[in-house]
Amino acid sequence: AQSVTQLDSQVPVFEEAPVELRCNYSSSVSVYLFWYVQYPNQGLQLLLKYLSGSTLVKGINGFEAEFNKSQTSFHLRKPSVHISDTAEYFCAVIISGGYQKVTFGIGTKLQVIP
Amino acid sequence: GAGVSQSPSNKVTEKGKDVELRCDPISGHTALYWYRQSLGQGLEFLIYFQGNSAPDKSGLPSDRFSAERTGGSVSTLTIQRTQQEDSAVYLCASSLGRGTGPPREQYFGPGTRLTVT
Repeated sequence: AQSVTQLDSQVPVFEEAPVELRCNYSSSVSVYLFWYVQYPNQGLQLLLKYLSGSTLVKGINGFEAEFNKSQTSFHLRKPSVHISDTAEYFCAVIISGGYQKVTFGIGTKLQVIP
Repeated sequence: GAGVSQSPSNKVTEKGKDVELRCDPISGHTALYWYRQSLGQGLEFLIYFQGNSAPDKSGLPSDRFSAERTGGSVSTLTIQRTQQEDSAVYLCASSLGRGTGPPREQYFGPGTRLTVT
């Protein structure tokens, strides 16, 4: 079975500083990788996804992530965060050939400090 | 267009009572999912509906949980004899049906926050 590990439950960062949210996955088959964002009292919104091709994917709001197959990682980065980026971020996988059941990480709360 | 909607947004119930949570998917989406978001547990898959196929119930935590999807659209998640550990946010998502290519994007509703007292 596949699993997703987000090592950092909370990440405080000052406004305009860079941030990296870490995600590692485990799977015996190929996977598709996703990052979702959840703003306070809202549902999940897709931030970006890796399906195939270039390992560097760009998403909304200036976020990007890089798929590293050898390290089984899909870390999320942003060069300069804004207060509005304060939210919870979930890394997720769908196994290739599977029916689309999403396996989520436990989430990382990003707190941007003014 | 309208996104996924869920009702109620908040539900407080007494232990032992039954509750029903409703999900209205995006029109035309044949796939529908229920997830549970518990404090410290992250998001866990509960059940998946795809068209007229038998649902995948492998994520339901106990037989007190059940779900149905009427007419391939609206879905109801029912929790019988609620327990305090059922307190969580229940999220619904929908997507276009499964194809032969990469997975389709799942669109999430705002969730129902269930509190069992």
